[in-house]
Amino acid sequence: GQNIDQPTEMTATEGAIVQINCTYQTSGFNGLFWYQQHAGEAPTFLSYNVLDGLEEKGRFSSFLSRSKGYSYLLLKELQMKDSASYLCAVRTADRRSGNTPLVFGKGTRLSVIA
Amino acid sequence: DARVTQTPRHKVTEMGQEVTMRCQPILGHNTVFWYRQTMMQGLELLAYFRNRAPLDDSGMPKDRFSAEMPDATLATLKIQPSEPRDSAVYFCASGPSGTPVQETQYFGPGTRLLVL
Repeated sequence: GQNIDQPTEMTATEGAIVQINCTYQTSGFNGLFWYQQHAGEAPTFLSYNVLDGLEEKGRFSSFLSRSKGYSYLLLKELQMKDSASYLCAVRTADRRSGNTPLVFGKGTRLSVIA
Repeated sequence: DARVTQTPRHKVTEMGQEVTMRCQPILGHNTVFWYRQTMMQGLELLAYFRNRAPLDDSGMPKDRFSAEMPDATLATLKIQPSEPRDSAVYFCASGPSGTPVQETQYFGPGTRLLVL
């Protein structure tokens, strides 16, 4: 089976740093994605990790530990517009190469307050 | 600005009616996904296509759902007959499919379906 866990809700203050954790147990692993989804809108791609370590992209960073089945998304210098749901998703190993379906966690709803 | 388009954006229908949702993938993307999102289950895969051929539709209730790609610019998802439990947001996503495998998926705005 596939299991991806992340906290349901988090609250953080404008200007602060927040870390959203994700743990996964899947039948295979071929990359971990983070998506941002504002209320009533489509998910948009934030980051991708396939090797252990930290990937930094502006105010957002994502970390992966494959041995622990663990990832986190780090958001720095929080802004009000960062209030959204953050979805952790895993691409499970597949014999066929290329773009294959993602298994999503239920998402973490982040509220940024003044 | 290339983007995935979906129609209709909202649909309210009565139980038993047929519902057809349409998706235009980004030009040049050869892989198309249909996902469904509910509060309880989150985002779940229904079906996906590569080069218009269905590769996996195990997530769909076969007796009532069908997905097709009549051509490279159109993907359709049909529900017949619809039931209240089908109420959800249906997202279409497209992506390239070469190597390397970090190719991501670009989501359309979704169709919000309510079955009464």
